[in-house]
Amino acid sequence: DIVMTQSPESLAVSLGERATINCKSSQSVLFSSNNKNYIAWYQHKPGQPPKLLIYWASTREAGVPDRFSGSGSVTDFSLTISSLQAEDVAVYYCQQYYVRPPTFGPGTKVEIK
Amino acid sequence: QVQLVQSGTEVKAPGASVRLSCKASGYTFTNYLIHWMRQAPGQRLEWMGWINSANGNTKYSQKFQDRVTITRDTSASTAYMELSSLIAEDTAVYYCARDPPNLQVPGTGWFGPWGQGTLVTVSS
Repeated sequence: DIVMTQSPESLAVSLGERATINCKSSQSVLFSSNNKNYIAWYQHKPGQPPKLLIYWASTREAGVPDRFSGSGSVTDFSLTISSLQAEDVAVYYCQQYYVRPPTFGPGTKVEIK
Repeated sequence: QVQLVQSGTEVKAPGASVRLSCKASGYTFTNYLIHWMRQAPGQRLEWMGWINSANGNTKYSQKFQDRVTITRDTSASTAYMELSSLIAEDTAVYYCARDPPNLQVPGTGWFGPWGQGTLVTVSS
């Protein structure tokens, strides 16, 4: 199985400031024939189901605010919240879908400083 | 709008089985795979398997292969996940989630939308 790691475990950022979460896969998730990275990002708030934010490493899901952006390639990826809002407090997970089984990172908790 | 509504909290004894449901609405049920995942306390999300809502074909994670059965009732637009031989480590929130639209190969992508989750507690 592909092992996903995330850093940091938790992150405290002031309102309006930038938050960056890193995700690393244990092997490449870049499919050379279509040049796509098989990475998704989710936001998970307590008592709610995970919400899809990003797929193909950088494609924002419809309705997701443009302060959320994804980047990276091959094995190293990032999710950036450009200007943190109070409603962004949550745990964020990356997921690879390059091979079965799909696997998730351990999560990064984002809080307000 | 697309919604997945899951059944309620379950408390089971070790060795028992549990059957959870996931009722879909807002789209044509048979057009999409339904996945099941779980998250144990302090652990990461784990994918358990999927069902093809149209023909009932299934694919399971090797980890759960011997204990999980996913079925569906097309007339009720509902998918079910049964997990047998429960142990304490099966205590978790279980989620169903739908395949996203426009996947080139169903079952090979990300997940969304998700059901609200069902807490299963395994305790004597």
